Amino acid sequence: SAVISQKPSRDICQRGTSLTIQCQVDSQVTMMFWYRQQPGQSLTLIATANQGSEATYESGFVIDKFPISRPNLTFSTLTVSNMSPEDSSIYLCSVAGIFGNTIYFGEGSWLTVV
Amino acid sequence: AQTVTQSQPEMSVQEAETVTLSCTYDTSESDYYLFWYKQPPSRQMILVIRQEAYKQQNATENRFSVNFQKAAKSFSLKISDSQLGDAAMYFCAYRETGGGADGLTFGKGTHLIIQP
Repeated sequence: SAVISQKPSRDICQRGTSLTIQCQVDSQVTMMFWYRQQPGQSLTLIATANQGSEATYESGFVIDKFPISRPNLTFSTLTVSNMSPEDSSIYLCSVAGIFGNTIYFGEGSWLTVV
Repeated sequence: AQTVTQSQPEMSVQEAETVTLSCTYDTSESDYYLFWYKQPPSRQMILVIRQEAYKQQNATENRFSVNFQKAAKSFSLKISDSQLGDAAMYFCAYRETGGGADGLTFGKGTHLIIQP
């Protein structure tokens, strides 16, 4: 399995500001994904981070709010823009394993917007 | 769109006993993957077990096993000899195969309580 590191692990943010979350994988992976987990809820897929092209967003998520970069096969960032208290969530980076049939998760970034 | 349903918001079991968590899903695909993930209070998502839909044999990982009923679109998780460390949220998840770039679709989760 891949080792996935996320930064920051936790942060308290002021409303109206933006925060960028970094995801680093210890090996090259084909697919990287970003999920959101709101308090007491399940995980929801935000987007697939595509290397060398624009991310593919799920319904309800837009690039202006959640810009994503993936400059290479081991690194991706998710920015949460113009934050409001409703953006208080855990944001999780995940990758597909070498055969693409299992998805592994980073430890998550817990954001609180005040 | 695929949906995953976990009908048990919370389950409780005595330590050393066996518990079964339910999961059903809806898909028109014939080949796909199913997963159970564990999320302890640390919030780390930990893979418990994986099942490929084309395999008839139920997956097993130590004390964890699944009952995969493809026709019924059912994928339950059985935990034997429950331990205090098994206490967590458990999420059932679905993913298509075929080389697609789809991520996981999750159920709402089941909170498992282990009574000492």
